[in-house]
Amino acid sequence: QSALTQPPSASGSPGQSVTISCTGTSNDVGRYKYVSWYQQHPGKAPKLMIYEVSKRPSGVPDRFSGSKSGNTASLTVSGLQAEDEADYYCCSYAGSNPYVFGTGTKVTVL
Amino acid sequence: EVQLVESGGGLVQPGGSLRLSCAVSGFTFSTYWMSWVRQAPGKGLEWVANIKQDGSEIYYVDSVKGRFTISRDNAKNSLYLQMNSLRAEDTAVYYCARDIAPTVTTLLYWGQGTLVTVSS
Repeated sequence: QSALTQPPSASGSPGQSVTISCTGTSNDVGRYKYVSWYQQHPGKAPKLMIYEVSKRPSGVPDRFSGSKSGNTASLTVSGLQAEDEADYYCCSYAGSNPYVFGTGTKVTVL
Repeated sequence: EVQLVESGGGLVQPGGSLRLSCAVSGFTFSTYWMSWVRQAPGKGLEWVANIKQDGSEIYYVDSVKGRFTISRDNAKNSLYLQMNSLRAEDTAVYYCARDIAPTVTTLLYWGQGTLVTVSS
């Protein structure tokens, strides 16, 4: 099972929006609604930000939103804030090898 | 409050063994699938293994099949990962994680991780 493809980096100024793509295949992203996104600050554990493509866990700001089209999922962070600077990973359910993660995207707030 | 606390990491020589533990609290452990996920230094996340509530179903990523064994003790609210024949490429922070629901769909809760270093 190959990792999902994400751009290595993305950036935006405070208040702007940034969108991160996550490209998989018809065996993972394209097949299942179980696409999630994690935020990871240096030295910390991943934190779930989006699940089932577009749902937000309790406590996650509505500045974070997700979508999916075909084999590609996307995470949009609107109204960028300094604390949003982190690594972001997508993840898709993929059947018997249940979780495949993306390659990761470093988001920089300029 | 849900808590997952890993332990057992450390420095081990290539070919050696190590057993990781994950002690959980704040939820009914026997209700959920549990996973191990690792992250090599400076690299991305990689799912390693998971185990069903009663241990009747277990899955591994291909790279650890035959070398790693995941297990659980529901009476002790604990998850384990026995790692044998360790290789340099197994060097990583190992996280235990719990699914969002009793089915396998999304990893919601994560521990703080324990570092495993395989080096001579």
